This record gives sequence, C-alpha cells and structure tokens, in this order.
Amino acid sequence: SQQGEEDPQALSIQEGENATMNCSYKTSINNLQWYRQNSGRGLVHLILIRSNEREKHSGRLRVTLDTSKKSSSLLITASRAADTASYFCATDATGSQGNLIFGKGTKLSVKP
Amino acid sequence: KAGVTQTPRYLIKTRGQQVTLSCSPISGHRSVSWYQQTPGQGLQFLFEYFSETQRNKGNFPGRFSGRQFSNSRSEMNVSTLELGDSALYLCASSFRQDRRLSGANVLTFGAGSRLTVL
Repeated sequence: SQQGEEDPQALSIQEGENATMNCSYKTSINNLQWYRQNSGRGLVHLILIRSNEREKHSGRLRVTLDTSKKSSSLLITASRAADTASYFCATDATGSQGNLIFGKGTKLSVKP
Repeated sequence: KAGVTQTPRYLIKTRGQQVTLSCSPISGHRSVSWYQQTPGQGLQFLFEYFSETQRNKGNFPGRFSGRQFSNSRSEMNVSTLELGDSALYLCASSFRQDRRLSGANVLTFGAGSRLTVL
C-alpha cells in the first residue's frame, strides 16, 4: 500500500529554475526521506528529515515537513539538466517494523 | 567501498517458470530489503532480512520468497511466474540493526534486476 503520494506526477522546467515537489502521507511518522532515481536504475538517498524537524538543507536541496498536515516538500534550487530523474518520498511510519513505504514519485525533467 | 550488487541485471522468463535473484549488500550492512517496482504500482515492499531472519514482510503471495545467508548476501525467488511479475526488482541494504535503537533506516539501493515474463 502507498503511504506517500507525490505531487505533481510530472514536472518540466528550464535549467536554472527551481523545482518543488510535494509529498502527502497518511499516518504518523518517525522520519521522512527523499530519494532520486535515474531512469531504470536504483534509488539514491538524498535527505532525511525527522518528525521533530521542520526544515532541512543539503546543498541545493531544501526539505520541509509539516506533521500537522502530514506533508513534506522538496525544493531543488537552480536546477540542472543532471537533476532530471524521478523523485520519491519514503516514510518510516510510527509503530511499523521500520520498512520504508514509498510514494509513486514525481518525474522531473530539466531542459537545457 | 563497493555498493549493493544485484545479479542478474536483466532476465527474460516465460510464464510458469521460476527465477532467483541475488543481492550482495554493502560490507557491514546486515539488513537487506527487497522491493518490486512497476509503472502501475510504484515501489512495493516485499520483505526485509536481518541476520538470516525475515524481519518484515509485505503483502505479496507466497510465490515470492527470500532468504539471507550468513555473509548477509540475500536471494529472492519467485515461483510459477505470471505476466504481472514483470518488474524491476530492487534490493537495498541498511546498517540499521535494531529498531529500538536510535538511527533511521536509510537505504542504499542496487541497480536492480529487470525481469520480463513472456
């Protein structure tokens, strides 16, 4: 079953623009993580935000978490063609056995 | 250090056959998780192994099974293949040991095994 749902499903922008992806989830969580997947490859961990954190930065990435709305957003600033990939949020639900539940992802296309 | 290695990368099977996929985790990682990825369902959790024991299981039929060896390498098996089993099967390893201890379950994924069932 899907815990996280990303929005939008697809996003197309020009190089240099910012990209924002949103994730909504259903149950309380210990943490939320974002992963990137280049076409047909494995996923790469980008950033983790814990339930008691509201915002986190890593390079050009900024993640926010609103536990009252059960939502998170991933902002990629000054995007590059190499950022073209699918982005997934994954939740570690409270009371679960720790396995991550992934959303269906946002497909980001950055045009040069 | 070497990443997560999955073999084979691509394979084609016919309905009714069985398949075994292999995963070698990052050295020192004792937790191995398996996911099935399809365009329609996205990433679906199959199971997690830790110290040769299945610690967690997703909602898949019994045709899907797995095991883990003493060196943490893992295999998953799908018997009596169906067309709908065509997917990218992803293995991920993690250092996290006990859920009661601190530390989040951050996964390192392999490149996947692409299974096509004809």
